[in-house]
Amino acid sequence: NAGVTQTPKFQVLKTGQSMTLQCAQDMNHNSMYWYRQDPGMGLRLIYYSASEGTTDKGEVPNGYNVSRLNKREFSLRLESAAPSQTSVYFCASSEYWGMNTEAFFGQGTRLTVV
Amino acid sequence: DQQVKQNSPSLSVQEGRISILNCDYTNSMFDYFLWYKKYPAEGPTFLISISSIKDKNEDGRFTVFLNKSAKHLSLHIVPSQPGDSAVYFCAASGMQTGANSKLTFGKGITLSVRP
Repeated sequence: NAGVTQTPKFQVLKTGQSMTLQCAQDMNHNSMYWYRQDPGMGLRLIYYSASEGTTDKGEVPNGYNVSRLNKREFSLRLESAAPSQTSVYFCASSEYWGMNTEAFFGQGTRLTVV
Repeated sequence: DQQVKQNSPSLSVQEGRISILNCDYTNSMFDYFLWYKKYPAEGPTFLISISSIKDKNEDGRFTVFLNKSAKHLSLHIVPSQPGDSAVYFCAASGMQTGANSKLTFGKGITLSVRP
């Protein structure tokens, strides 16, 4: 049981380049999330998908887009990368949105924008 | 405006002693609280949770206490072990749909357990 799988694990981009971070979960969860972790800032929500077919902005959505491709997959796209987007990105999933249940996290993608 | 606050960035304790990690929240709509543990180069993993209808939840060496009137919760680890050395995140959410339903995280506390 793989849980939440993110690819790639590491990436270096030049300013202005684009890329897509992939995430897939095999727990049949309805809700999926993208977070970023920065030193001294904790985990901040970028976008979430409460259920298949819906996406919504979180705390820090600027510069990102997402796609809930199907129930399993939720991708995060940086259209024009900026150094401020250097961070560790975590995808997570939970059984339902709006119910008291824990989220399960992937291992993270360490992104550096130069 | 930070709704979940972990004011101490780090904590160091001796192996075998108690570790107490504190968390405060400001949003009165929060009714579910969780602790996550994170090792370097790994994703956060769920540790323990508590609903607002309880004031204590215990799981082995880990106990979470909730004081709703003070909007304060704490994680107790007894006895502490070197393998507990990690970053601990406090998180909170509300049952209502909308913004309060998402998990809001604190900044984390780095726990070091000295052998």
